Amino acid sequence: AQSVAQPEDQVNVAEGNPLTVKCTYSVSGNPYLFWYVQYPNRGLQFLLKYITGDNLVKGSYGFEAEFNKSQTSFHLKKPSALVSDSALYFCAVRPKYGFNKFYFGSGTKLNVKP
Amino acid sequence: NAGVTQTPKFRVLKTGQSMTLLCAQDMNHEYMYWYRQDPGMGLRLIHYSVGEGTTAKGEVPDGYNVSRLKKQNFLLGLESAAPSQTSVYFCASSYSLLSLAGDPYNEQFFGPGTRLTVL
Repeated sequence: AQSVAQPEDQVNVAEGNPLTVKCTYSVSGNPYLFWYVQYPNRGLQFLLKYITGDNLVKGSYGFEAEFNKSQTSFHLKKPSALVSDSALYFCAVRPKYGFNKFYFGSGTKLNVKP
Repeated sequence: NAGVTQTPKFRVLKTGQSMTLLCAQDMNHEYMYWYRQDPGMGLRLIHYSVGEGTTAKGEVPDGYNVSRLKKQNFLLGLESAAPSQTSVYFCASSYSLLSLAGDPYNEQFFGPGTRLTVL
């Protein structure tokens, strides 16, 4: 079965420290990989995506994500966290061919403390 | 360019009542989706539409109906609301559904959500 796992419900980090939000997936056929962010009472906003090429993808607001094919992981990272990064982060995976269905992880709440 | 909008933003229903959630997009996207978001479960696809006049079932379609009479609008209906339908509902749209050629530029654009409580 196709699935996306975000093993941490919550990640706590101090402002200025690096952050990592983990995502692993089990979707066949070299899928496309996405990260979305959701601020309180808002919809999901696109952060970045991996299509092909360099395993390190850079996105909005200083975020980046590292694709690891052998570990089927796509971890979200940022070198220096800001309090304003506090939000709910979703990893999503879309099969490369066929129906454009997104498989979403359960979400990770990021708390950045001053 | 408003993107994807949803009305209403909040609603409280009693069990057995009906309501319709409206989603509108101004990006001329062919494809539209309705999701529900529940704590610890991510987003689950309720129904989707591949174009005006077409709809199809997603992962959790029971208790919901949809209609796509105009390209820019996608309506989600609850005929007889149940407490299990308490959730946050998100609409999304994208310009391409089938990725037969491996189209990589196919992210979904989301509305702000509708918070529905069924008592």
